[in-house]
Amino acid sequence: AQSVAQPEDQVNVAEGNPLTVKCTYSVSGNPYLFWYVQYPNRGLQFLLKYITGDNLVKGSYGFEAEFNKSQTSFHLKKPSALVSDSALYFCALYYGNNRLAFGKGNQVVVIP
Amino acid sequence: NAGVMQNPRHLVRRRGQEARLRCSPMKGHSHVYWYRQLPEEGLKFMVYLQKENIIDESGMPKERFSAEFPKEGPSILRIQQVVRGDSAAYFCASSAGGGVKPQHFGDGTRLSIL
Repeated sequence: AQSVAQPEDQVNVAEGNPLTVKCTYSVSGNPYLFWYVQYPNRGLQFLLKYITGDNLVKGSYGFEAEFNKSQTSFHLKKPSALVSDSALYFCALYYGNNRLAFGKGNQVVVIP
Repeated sequence: NAGVMQNPRHLVRRRGQEARLRCSPMKGHSHVYWYRQLPEEGLKFMVYLQKENIIDESGMPKERFSAEFPKEGPSILRIQQVVRGDSAAYFCASSAGGGVKPQHFGDGTRLSIL
């Protein structure tokens, strides 16, 4: 069965420091992976996706994610976090028939 | 260039009443998805529709819930005889096509059951 795991509940990082949000997945077949961000009382905004090709995917707002097949991971990264990056981040896995399976989300808190 | 529009943003119903949630997809998008988000949980897929067709409703509860996407007008998620456990945020998303095209989300409808 397909699943996505985001092991940490909250990620705290000082402004200007590197930010990493972890995601691991389980799927039979090729993984198609997405990251979304959700601000309070808003819908999810698409950040980036991995379909095939280069393992390092660049997305919106300076975010990037690294696909690692051997570790079945797709961690989200940003070299220098901003206070405005504080939000809820979701990893998602496409599992056919236009369906996405979401992780439970990680709250990111960037401390000024 | 309007995004996905959902209304109402907040909806309060008493137990036993009906809730109707509306979603207008982005211009040019013909694929619509409904998700439910419970507190401190990720989004759970409910249903996938194209114009006038339900493509996949494997995530919908078997009773009281229904969805439609008519030829004209918004997609509607309908919950009959609501119960307290239906309290959640309901999100609609749309995409320009199927497969791995990114889904674009509305701001959701927060349903509260008294």
